[in-house]
Amino acid sequence: DAEITQSPRHKITETGRQVTLACHQTWNHNNMFWYRQDLGHGLRLIHYSYGVQDTNKGEVSDGYSVSRSNTEDLPLTLESAASSQTSVYFCASSESGSSYEQYFGPGTRLTVT
Amino acid sequence: GEDVEQSLFLSVREGDSSVINCTYTDSSSTYLYWYKQEPGAGLQLLTYIFSNMDMKQDQRLTVLLNKKDKHLSLRIADTQTGDSAIYFCAESRRRALTFGSGTRLQVQP
Repeated sequence: DAEITQSPRHKITETGRQVTLACHQTWNHNNMFWYRQDLGHGLRLIHYSYGVQDTNKGEVSDGYSVSRSNTEDLPLTLESAASSQTSVYFCASSESGSSYEQYFGPGTRLTVT
Repeated sequence: GEDVEQSLFLSVREGDSSVINCTYTDSSSTYLYWYKQEPGAGLQLLTYIFSNMDMKQDQRLTVLLNKKDKHLSLRIADTQTGDSAIYFCAESRRRALTFGSGTRLQVQP
């Protein structure tokens, strides 16, 4: 069965370190998204991609970067982790259809100490 | 402030109907969605409605859309304890989604 996975599921890191969160989907979807979830804010869009070599900034992109070298993967990198980036991160994907239904991964809980 | 707004909490008794409300701002949104999040899990799509519809029913779920007031609601009939979760409404803007802050539904036995 097709799925979307994230790794690691939990990560603790120190301020200033570079961290990469992995997202892998086997739906063969063109569109992929990264969100962060914080209490009281719902999900906020960090970066998104409409296809290989395409990346776009979302609502809260400062301090994050992504790259899209193939259809299946969209890794999210925190260049220099900050305590404000402690959050739960969700990856999602959707096909290039009309309903834009997004399928979500299980999430990565990141703690920056 | 949030572009998509929801009340934070709703408590109902098992067997009653639940109504979760949402207001959005982008009148050009093509689709509006309801997602469910159970503890420790990702979001799961419950249902969605196309912007030219005013109602959609899917088993125990009824979605009502009032485009004039930019108001969306989700009614869950015969609410069960397994319906306890956080419910998010979302609007589509091109291919990305903008989410509300979520409504926590608590179902009391």
